[in-house]
Amino acid sequence: KAGVTQTPRYLIKTRGQQVTLSCSPISGHRSVSWYQQTPGQGLQFLFEYFSETQRNKGNFPGRFSGRQFSNSRSEMNVSTLELGDSALYLCASRSDGRTEAFFGQGTRLTVV
Amino acid sequence: GNSVTQMEGPVTLSEEAFLTINCTYTATGYPSLFWYVQYPGEGLQLLLKATKADDKGSNKGFEATYRKETTSFHLEKGSVQVSDSAVYFCALIRTQGGSEKLVFGKGMKLTVNP
Repeated sequence: KAGVTQTPRYLIKTRGQQVTLSCSPISGHRSVSWYQQTPGQGLQFLFEYFSETQRNKGNFPGRFSGRQFSNSRSEMNVSTLELGDSALYLCASRSDGRTEAFFGQGTRLTVV
Repeated sequence: GNSVTQMEGPVTLSEEAFLTINCTYTATGYPSLFWYVQYPGEGLQLLLKATKADDKGSNKGFEATYRKETTSFHLEKGSVQVSDSAVYFCALIRTQGGSEKLVFGKGMKLTVNP
């Protein structure tokens, strides 16, 4: 069974631009969550999607948004990029009724 | 609110040394507890989990026991290897409005020297 796949692995963007990151969950998993990892703040929850609906959202500005498609694949978008958005963005998927989450390798975003 | 506090390190050990990484949590109810490991340049891998009090999670020689009385979930390994060099995160899962999100500790970097 394939794991969680995130694309691209690396991105370099300029301040003010926008970016879209993609996540394909493990087959059969309907829950997809996104986390931001930075050296200063550690791992912080961004949002969770389940069956194309956002179920929960973390404490991030409205520039951070996401969506989920009918095949459970998810995208997150960050608009008007700031230097502080430089981070590793991790996606995790979970099976219904299970507590353990499985993570992808992440997308390393660098904003210059 | 729910939170996780863990040793932050960094810690350097020699191969075959004993490892303990302390983790305590604050939570309402009885959350499930996890240890995740992150190797350089990679995402998080689930190392082990425990879902109720006195449960012991184990994997690859690592163990952790869910202690409700001390709200702890300390990670131990009897003999570390160079390949165990990584960052270790303790986490709990918090349920909110039908959604579940992980709350992580700050992570502890472990280096094991030959």
